Amino acid sequence: QQPVQSPQAVILREGEDAVINCSSSKALYSVHWYRQKHGEAPVFLMILLKGGEQKGHDKISASFNEKKQQSSLYLTASQLSYSGTYFCGTEEGSGGSNYKLTFGKGTLLTVNP
Amino acid sequence: GAVVSQHPSRVICKSGTSVKIECRSLDFQATTMFWYRQFPKQSLMLMATSNEGSKATYEQGVEKDKFLINHASLTLSTLTVTSAHPEDSSFYICSAKGDTQYFGPGTRLTVL
Repeated sequence: QQPVQSPQAVILREGEDAVINCSSSKALYSVHWYRQKHGEAPVFLMILLKGGEQKGHDKISASFNEKKQQSSLYLTASQLSYSGTYFCGTEEGSGGSNYKLTFGKGTLLTVNP
Repeated sequence: GAVVSQHPSRVICKSGTSVKIECRSLDFQATTMFWYRQFPKQSLMLMATSNEGSKATYEQGVEKDKFLINHASLTLSTLTVTSAHPEDSSFYICSAKGDTQYFGPGTRLTVL
């Protein structure tokens, strides 16, 4: 089941904050966040496991609410380099041998000077 | 982070020919690799899951005889697009499973 990402697109000025949401109708084991720049492969940002944890590095952090099957990616004090399309990938179930990620449609983030 | 290479990065071929794309995990062993297809401004569509030493598992609607996958070692998986046609033109991306999925740089296939 493809997760739903919102918003579809967001435009920021450098230094502004943004939140990207990812939700699923299925029980999730983990949520993986990636950023993809045009013509390039997705780059791994972080993984959140079942347990409602929050993670972050630098000015990018994320949370996972397993009760709501939702994850949010927080970008604070955005930089020009943050521009790209953000994808969440969700792993359903309880983890294990049938692992695969299903990706949302992506959120296009544009940071302007 | 883990590094995954993909070769070639770009290929142009004539309709009816076959094209092989290689995906290698350079600094870790991957028993599982994935092949995705991505159309412009769209999401990553999983084509198949490649397991070392066994047959690939294809997603619904993906022709296994057209998209041949071989995962002969813990660091190499190949995707062969057989008898390619213009509608097969796309961006093909592989990923290797470690603690998460690490993606290769992708292969832009253009079929004339």
